[in-house]
Amino acid sequence: QVQLVESGGGLVKPGGSLRLSCAASGFTFSDYYMSWIRQAPGKGLEWVSYISSSSSYTNYADSVKGRFTISRDNAKNSLYLQMNSLRAEDTAVYYCARVVGATQYYFDYWGQGTLVTVSS
Amino acid sequence: DIVMTQSPDSLAVSLGERATINCKSSQSVLYSSNNKNYLAWYQQKPGQPPKLLIYWASTRESGVPDRFSGSGSGTDFTLTISSLQAEDVAVYYCQQYYSTPSFGPGTKVDIK
Repeated sequence: QVQLVESGGGLVKPGGSLRLSCAASGFTFSDYYMSWIRQAPGKGLEWVSYISSSSSYTNYADSVKGRFTISRDNAKNSLYLQMNSLRAEDTAVYYCARVVGATQYYFDYWGQGTLVTVSS
Repeated sequence: DIVMTQSPDSLAVSLGERATINCKSSQSVLYSSNNKNYLAWYQQKPGQPPKLLIYWASTRESGVPDRFSGSGSGTDFTLTISSLQAEDVAVYYCQQYYSTPSFGPGTKVDIK
């Protein structure tokens, strides 16, 4: 069965950095595009970033462009999100999700999420 | 960017009754080349991640009960729960994937 397990969340000060990881199992990770989606406490869902199966293509929401970097290691079945220059408004649960499609896509499996809190 | 709206914000329905959730996109998500609507629906129960219910506006994901159905085209879409069960209490989100993904604000469904 498909499993996505996020880790790396925690409390960080404004301006700080954090690296999230997502360990995938139960499917051929290297065949799928992957994405990060976040949800601020009590709020809705916001797509954050996306990476192609071979890492050749990435895309970011305007709200994180230039501060966040998505990457993957297909040998380790792992997805990453490097978050720099963090702001209070980045506080959210971050989900990794498997993508269905390529340039136009939805999400068929989601991890349980990892909470990132940006506060002094 | 395509902006998604949903109505109502919340609704309470008696067990066994019908629940209807509306979703509207700021521009059409119907792709003329394949006549498909790039619209998905998700269910999120408290403390859980979202779960895919429907894609292509009306195709149920494997394992989703047939009391869930999606309809609509272009800019206006509907998720219908034909006979509400206690386990359907959740927030429901629509998502367009015609362009960079965007989600609706969610509709909370409760038992009356």
